[in-house]
Amino acid sequence: DVKVTQSSRYLVKRTGEKVFLECVQDMDHENMFWYRQDPGLGLRLIYFSYDVKMKEKGDIPEGYSVSREKKERFSLILESASTNQTSMYLCASSWDRTSEQYFGPGTRLTVT
Amino acid sequence: DQQVKQNSPSLSVQEGRISILNCDYTNSMFDYFLWYKKYPAEGPTFLISISSIKDKNEDGRFTVFLNKSAKHLSLHIVPSQPGDSAVYFCAASYTNAGKSTFGDGTTLTVKP
Repeated sequence: DVKVTQSSRYLVKRTGEKVFLECVQDMDHENMFWYRQDPGLGLRLIYFSYDVKMKEKGDIPEGYSVSREKKERFSLILESASTNQTSMYLCASSWDRTSEQYFGPGTRLTVT
Repeated sequence: DQQVKQNSPSLSVQEGRISILNCDYTNSMFDYFLWYKKYPAEGPTFLISISSIKDKNEDGRFTVFLNKSAKHLSLHIVPSQPGDSAVYFCAASYTNAGKSTFGDGTTLTVKP
């Protein structure tokens, strides 16, 4: 069974803090993705990576950065958290870029 | 420009009846389509997919239909069960895209 784990289920941070969200997958997948999910807006892609140290911007990269130093780990970084980044963050991985993605359970981030 | 649209935010059906969830797309380059199901407080899980070389794919109670000329796909669930109550996301991709584009989701409620 593919397993994608995220470091926290719930997180509360203050405005201006630097926030790290970690994601680990155990299936040797090349591709990893970060999304945010907001009511009525579906899943919006923030960043994705198709190889170690490679990254590509998604649809809403502003205010975020990512790091992929190892194949199994993909980190999302909020350099200076703002209240409009309060959201559900979902990590996913896949064998190739267009095949089905396996999602983690999500991190509910609240920025106050 | 939203390339994948799920125009019905919600759908309610009676247990045992058919559920039909719809999805429209605008990008004619899309050649692979997927449906995901998401329960509250969990990440989405892959349900079924279809390639553009087919017009139908079936897996148990779930069938996806693709109408390329209309740029429309639908997910049929027969018979619907209360456990099918969830948010359903449609997604589309193409070979060189590197990513999938998701719709906003449809919340299905199956009443006992």
